[in-house]
Amino acid sequence: EAQVTQNPRYLITVTGKKLTVTCSQNMNHEYMSWYRQDPGLGLRQIYYSMNVEVTDKGDVPEGYKVSRKEKRNFPLILESPSPNQTSLYFCASRTFSGPEAFFGQGTRLTVV
Amino acid sequence: DAKTTQPNSMESNEEEPVHLPCNHSTISGTDYIHWYRQLPSQGPEYVIHGLTSNVNNRMASLAIAEDRKSSTLILHRATLRDAAVYYCILRDVVGNFGNEKLTFGTGTRLTIIP
Repeated sequence: EAQVTQNPRYLITVTGKKLTVTCSQNMNHEYMSWYRQDPGLGLRQIYYSMNVEVTDKGDVPEGYKVSRKEKRNFPLILESPSPNQTSLYFCASRTFSGPEAFFGQGTRLTVV
Repeated sequence: DAKTTQPNSMESNEEEPVHLPCNHSTISGTDYIHWYRQLPSQGPEYVIHGLTSNVNNRMASLAIAEDRKSSTLILHRATLRDAAVYYCILRDVVGNFGNEKLTFGTGTRLTIIP
């Protein structure tokens, strides 16, 4: 089954404790991206990657890092999480030729 | 970024057609119109997209105005499983690497009445 898998689905952590949210897709997609969803603000893009070792900032990259060492994986790293990073996070992937983006189930992160 | 405007919420009776409107008066000639929906506790899901002509697929139909400044997503026979937030998005290609960013607004929350 074609899918984008995020882990964990839920996470509560404390300010300053480094964490990684993983994202993996099994569709051999070149393009992957991370979004955060906040009430009243819709989804905003954090980072994106056009292919292995090619990443760039989206609209709200501050406080986040990403890497793309393998085509299927695109982890989101929070080196020192803060409460304003409490949000619902989505990973997405797509192929360059197709119109459809596939989203993961989401990761609900709470930073206290 | 090109912007879309949708009603915050709509209601429809089960098994009746639903017309979800979207205004995008600042659309450019190369912007595709995409629709996604987000079911409760799930990630967004692609529904349909189009450029100028009306489009149909197994999930819905997309009617695009001749001047492209508005569009309507049509669910032909709504079911309870269609209750979701529907997003109208202009596919925006930016940057040197061609980042095709999907700019989601707040969408239309569709409630289906049994």
